[in-house]
Amino acid sequence: EVVMTQSPLSLPVTLGQPASISCRSSQSLVYSDGNTYLNWFQQRPGQSPRRLIYKVSNRDSGVPDRFSGSGSGTDFTLKISRVEAEDVGVYYCLQGTHWPRTFGQGTKLEIK
Amino acid sequence: EVQLVESGGALVQPGGSLRLSCAASGLTFSSSGINWVRQAPGKGLEWLSYISSSGTTMYYADSVKGRFTISRDNAKNSLFLQMHSLRAEDTAVYYCARLGFKGSSYWGQGTLVTVSS
Repeated sequence: EVVMTQSPLSLPVTLGQPASISCRSSQSLVYSDGNTYLNWFQQRPGQSPRRLIYKVSNRDSGVPDRFSGSGSGTDFTLKISRVEAEDVGVYYCLQGTHWPRTFGQGTKLEIK
Repeated sequence: EVQLVESGGALVQPGGSLRLSCAASGLTFSSSGINWVRQAPGKGLEWLSYISSSGTTMYYADSVKGRFTISRDNAKNSLFLQMHSLRAEDTAVYYCARLGFKGSSYWGQGTLVTVSS
């Protein structure tokens, strides 16, 4: 199975400062149709996960533009340009190119 | 508004069985591949199983293969997860979810399964 490795696992950030989460896959996530199926999810405390980004860099409706996704092949990044208090939670990458689907371990973002 | 509502979570003894349900509304359920994802207490998300829109294709994580069976009833807009031979490590919140690799993503609120004697 494809192993998704996130770093860091814990991310203390000062309000208003940027944050970056890395997600690396053990195999290329480029599918035969040319798309790369890599999603990012946010899970706030006590809530169900919510998708932020799909296919590497496409932001979901309603997601603030301070969130951005980038990357290709096996190396992906979620960036928050200026962290706000509502961004506290755990962030997961998920690959949808290979079976079984696999999540990263999660990155816990907290306010310093 | 799209809603996925899981039910059926309970306290069950090791070796026991349980059937989870997920009722969908607000989306064209019969056109959606759907997944089960779980989250053990204080842990990360674990993908468990997928069923295609027609119900003809299923995939499972190795951790549940042979013990869990995913199914759906498109006439009733419902998804199911039949779980057998439950173990303590199956204790988790179970979510039904459309993960949204090619479309919108939706998650339920989850249902808690506790495996303990």
